[in-house]
Amino acid sequence: ETGVTQTPRHLVMGMTNKKSLKCEQHLGHNAMYWYKQSAKKPLELMFVYSLEERVENNSVPSRFSPECPNSSHLFLHLHTLQPEDSALYLCASSRNRDRGRETQYFGPGTRLLVL
Amino acid sequence: AQTVTQSQPEMSVQEAETVTLSCTYDTSESDYYLFWYKQPPSRQMILVIRQEAYKQQNATENRFSVNFQKAAKSFSLKISDSQLGDAAMYFCAYRSGSWRGAGSYQLTFGKGTKLSVIP
Repeated sequence: ETGVTQTPRHLVMGMTNKKSLKCEQHLGHNAMYWYKQSAKKPLELMFVYSLEERVENNSVPSRFSPECPNSSHLFLHLHTLQPEDSALYLCASSRNRDRGRETQYFGPGTRLLVL
Repeated sequence: AQTVTQSQPEMSVQEAETVTLSCTYDTSESDYYLFWYKQPPSRQMILVIRQEAYKQQNATENRFSVNFQKAAKSFSLKISDSQLGDAAMYFCAYRSGSWRGAGSYQLTFGKGTKLSVIP
């Protein structure tokens, strides 16, 4: 256990569905991340949230919508996804306070299958 | 932009033996951090070891150690006394040490090396 939890662990959805992935961290961190892990590709950063700002990867389609209501919770809202969006979605968190001292801790991931 | 290359897609090691996983990276920065993460079949990404670029001493963590060659931009992971539980995907990752806002701490990952441990 790394202190980062994700639900659901597995999700199957149709292309017209709307679903949300949830991430929660119990580490007192102030930054949270969404990564996408596809087969045979490096992990891709999708979004970063800190208390102050959000940094968004420009290549993320608008059918993915993040939400960070507080420093402990992070959501990824999904709508009208495509089959190529099937992947493992990993959440991570870190404490971006002491420059260079923090490490990103990952959740167990949500395995998403889009039919 | 930084890149991370892991040239060994798969490797295997006999139980109790030693194995070294390779990683090279490309950057123009002088302040950065390097990581090795392990991802077992459970898919949980687990931090194995971390190295600060400003430290000349190689990081060690129990049976895991690194060989950090800054000039060569090489960061290999050595696993000693390999155990069955070490079987996993291993990812090398880079992170800038420069603060430019929340996105500064983006991790750039290699494609990974799948390690098998033979009983």
